[in-house]
Amino acid sequence: DTGVSQDPRHKITKRGQNVTFRCDPISEHNRLYWYRQTLGQGPEFLTYFQNEAQLEKSRLLSDRFSAERPKGSFSTLEIQRTEQGDSAMYLCASSHGDRGSHNEKLFFGSGTQLSVL
Amino acid sequence: RKEVEQDPGPFNVPEGATVAFNCTYSNSASQSFFWYRQDCRKEPKLLMSVYSSGNEDGRFTAQLNRASQYISLLIRDSKLSDSATYLCVVNTPGGSYIPTFGRGTSLIVHP
Repeated sequence: DTGVSQDPRHKITKRGQNVTFRCDPISEHNRLYWYRQTLGQGPEFLTYFQNEAQLEKSRLLSDRFSAERPKGSFSTLEIQRTEQGDSAMYLCASSHGDRGSHNEKLFFGSGTQLSVL
Repeated sequence: RKEVEQDPGPFNVPEGATVAFNCTYSNSASQSFFWYRQDCRKEPKLLMSVYSSGNEDGRFTAQLNRASQYISLLIRDSKLSDSATYLCVVNTPGGSYIPTFGRGTSLIVHP
């Protein structure tokens, strides 16, 4: 399978715990995005990497959230001190595009469903 | 005001009907526009890009009106399998262009 893969598929945690999700993009894709989606809403942008550089981060993103893409391949998203409001589907998407380009198509993983009790 | 707005629906139509969705965007400097389809409990998948001159892919037609800042999707001869949520996506300028999603429009096609 050469699509975008995310791990784990589901995560249940208690409030206050830290969680980490992993995303493996399509191998030749240099761009990687993290989105969050709740029921009845569209995906909400969290952060974006061009290769290993984190170029954009949503202003709405709490300091409890951090993402890395150390070698420009897989990425991790960590949420510290989880809150019930963090419960959502966390989606990773990848694409290929040169810096400054804007018309690439996104390929999504199946997501990680987070439930904070 | 949200950057990308869509009527959430649901649009409930019989098989064979023609249905149209609209989407408006707030940033006039936006570039690149897309429609994605999302099935229940699945990830979004690209349906089609939207070009300035309008474009068609089988039963699906997409149009862009830059002056009024809206995008439309027309589905002809609806099939049961078209039932899904249709997400409008606009690449919104910031430091980089970020794909910004609307909340989606739900379509239910019934026999």
